[in-house]
Amino acid sequence: GENVEQHPSTLSVQEGDSAVIKCTYSDSASNYFPWYKQELGKRPQLIIDIRSNVGEKKDQRIAVTLNKTAKHFSLHITETQPEDSAVYFCAATPRTLGRLYFGRGTQLTVWP
Amino acid sequence: DGGITQSPKYLFRKEGQNVTLSCEQNLNHDAMYWYRQDPGQGLRLIYYSQIVNDFQKGDIAEGYSVSREKKESFPLTVTSAQKNPTAFYLCASSIEAGDYGYTFGSGTRLTVV
Repeated sequence: GENVEQHPSTLSVQEGDSAVIKCTYSDSASNYFPWYKQELGKRPQLIIDIRSNVGEKKDQRIAVTLNKTAKHFSLHITETQPEDSAVYFCAATPRTLGRLYFGRGTQLTVWP
Repeated sequence: DGGITQSPKYLFRKEGQNVTLSCEQNLNHDAMYWYRQDPGQGLRLIYYSQIVNDFQKGDIAEGYSVSREKKESFPLTVTSAQKNPTAFYLCASSIEAGDYGYTFGSGTRLTVV
């Protein structure tokens, strides 16, 4: 199966700074890469995703980049706000395996 | 209002008892999943079902069982064989199995007393 590694496990930034979370994957057949945000005590929610035919995708203050050659993808959050504080999970999958493979999560803390 | 509902929100179990966690979705999704979440462990897949009357073991299936008799429902039974069942359990669904995003339920927190 696929193996997804996520770094860092914790990240602290000052409000207004940028935050970057990186994930690597092992299966070159993986073609779908979603990112989830989980606030304390809440359910994970999909915030952005990218497919392997696209190198970058943006949605307001968040963006995801994909490097298929190096097999890594990253989440970028600009102008961070305290409400961005949460655990972020990356995931990857090749369609044929029928499930997502998650990274272990990054606890992002944004200090006011 | 479409969504995925888990019940109960909190569940207490005595050692040696089986308990069943409910997961219902009205999104007309084919695929459903059960995850366990422990602090620092991320999301670990227990079982998943790509279609009605079919399911597969995930990464940590020992001590758990599931059924998928209806498209809308995917209950999880935590059996007495599960040695450390205290955790937060999340159910999810997707349009179909494979390269689609998940919609998660709000979770059930199970505590063994």
